[in-house]
Amino acid sequence: SQELEQSPQSLIVQEGKNLTINCTSSKTLYGLYWYKQKYGEGLIFLMMLQKGGEEKSHEKITAKLDEKKQQSSLHITASQPSHAGIYLCGAAGGGGKLIFGQGTELSVKP
Amino acid sequence: DAGITQSPRHKVTETGTPVTLRCHQTENHRYMYWYRQDPGHGLRLIHYSYGVKDTDKGEVSDGYSVSRSKTEDFLLTLESATSSQTSVYFCAVGSPYNEQFFGPGTRLTVL
Repeated sequence: SQELEQSPQSLIVQEGKNLTINCTSSKTLYGLYWYKQKYGEGLIFLMMLQKGGEEKSHEKITAKLDEKKQQSSLHITASQPSHAGIYLCGAAGGGGKLIFGQGTELSVKP
Repeated sequence: DAGITQSPRHKVTETGTPVTLRCHQTENHRYMYWYRQDPGHGLRLIHYSYGVKDTDKGEVSDGYSVSRSKTEDFLLTLESATSSQTSVYFCAVGSPYNEQFFGPGTRLTVL
């Protein structure tokens, strides 16, 4: 079965610094989703990537899917306290299943 | 937000009692999912449904059952709750090949 591995598991950065979160799949990805979760709340959809080499941006967050479609990265530029939370990558796992990585907990220090 | 509601939002119960969680959607999505979220494990799929009365198991289905008799409702039942089932439960709707929408979550504590 397909598995998603995220790294790092947790991250503490100073406000204003850039950071990158990675998501690696054990199989080829046919759709990769990034979500953000604030503590104690539900998930908020950020972006979906489908094509090899695809890159999308939303405000200061950029996500890329590599050419081989097995790895994605989420990059935040000039981090702010509002970026704090848990970031999860998700993908179609075959047979209608939707699977997720274990999440990356981001803290941004003012 | 695809009009997803979960009930109850919080529940405390005792070991051995049955518990049913409800997920309700208003957008007629075919696919619905139940996940549990625990520290260090991200979201783990319990069961999912791809249509009325069509359900399948996820990676952590032991001790859980589901039913979907109507498009809008997906029920998750803990037959006999155990302390290991203390968790936050999320319902999601939407195709696995497109954007998914999540409910606000149900915090379940089994004493």
